[in-house]
Amino acid sequence: AQSVAQPEDQVNVAEGNPLTVKCTYSVSGNPYLFWYVQYPNRGLQFLLKYITGDNLVKGSYGFEAEFNKSQTSFHLKKPSALVSDSALYFCAVLNYQLIWGAGTKLIIKP
Amino acid sequence: NAGVTQTPKFQVLKTGQSMTLQCAQDMNHNSMYWYRQDPGMGLRLIYYSASEGTTDKGEVPNGYNVSRLNKREFSLRLESAAPSQTSVYFCASSEQGRTNGELFFGEGSRLTVL
Repeated sequence: AQSVAQPEDQVNVAEGNPLTVKCTYSVSGNPYLFWYVQYPNRGLQFLLKYITGDNLVKGSYGFEAEFNKSQTSFHLKKPSALVSDSALYFCAVLNYQLIWGAGTKLIIKP
Repeated sequence: NAGVTQTPKFQVLKTGQSMTLQCAQDMNHNSMYWYRQDPGMGLRLIYYSASEGTTDKGEVPNGYNVSRLNKREFSLRLESAAPSQTSVYFCASSEQGRTNGELFFGEGSRLTVL
């Protein structure tokens, strides 16, 4: 069955430290991969996507994600976290339809 | 820059009541979607509309109906609400069809069914 896993319900990071939010997928073929962010009481916002090419993809707000085909992962990263990065992050895979992860709550502490 | 607009933002219903969630987008997108979001479950697709006049069932269509009124508007109707339909509902749109994963979301409609 096709699926997306975000193994951490919550990630806590100190402001200024690097952050990683993990995502792994199980989909046949060559999927398109996405990250979205949801701030409290708001809709989801597109952050970045991987279609093909360079395995390191850069997106909005200084975020980037690394595609690893052998590990079927697409982890979201940022070199230096901000308190304003605190939000809910969703990984999604497109294989005819979007398959969503359950979300990871990112908390950045001052 | 309205983007995707949903109404109402909050609604409380009694079991068995009906209601319609309205959604409109001003980006001239062809495709529109209705999702529900429940804690720990991510987003689940209820219905999808590739273009005006067409609708398709998603992962969880039971208990819902939709209408693609025109290119801008896509409404979601609950004919007889049940407590299991308590959720946050999101409308979204995209330029192309389901091969485009870059969606634009509304701010959500929080529905409670008592």
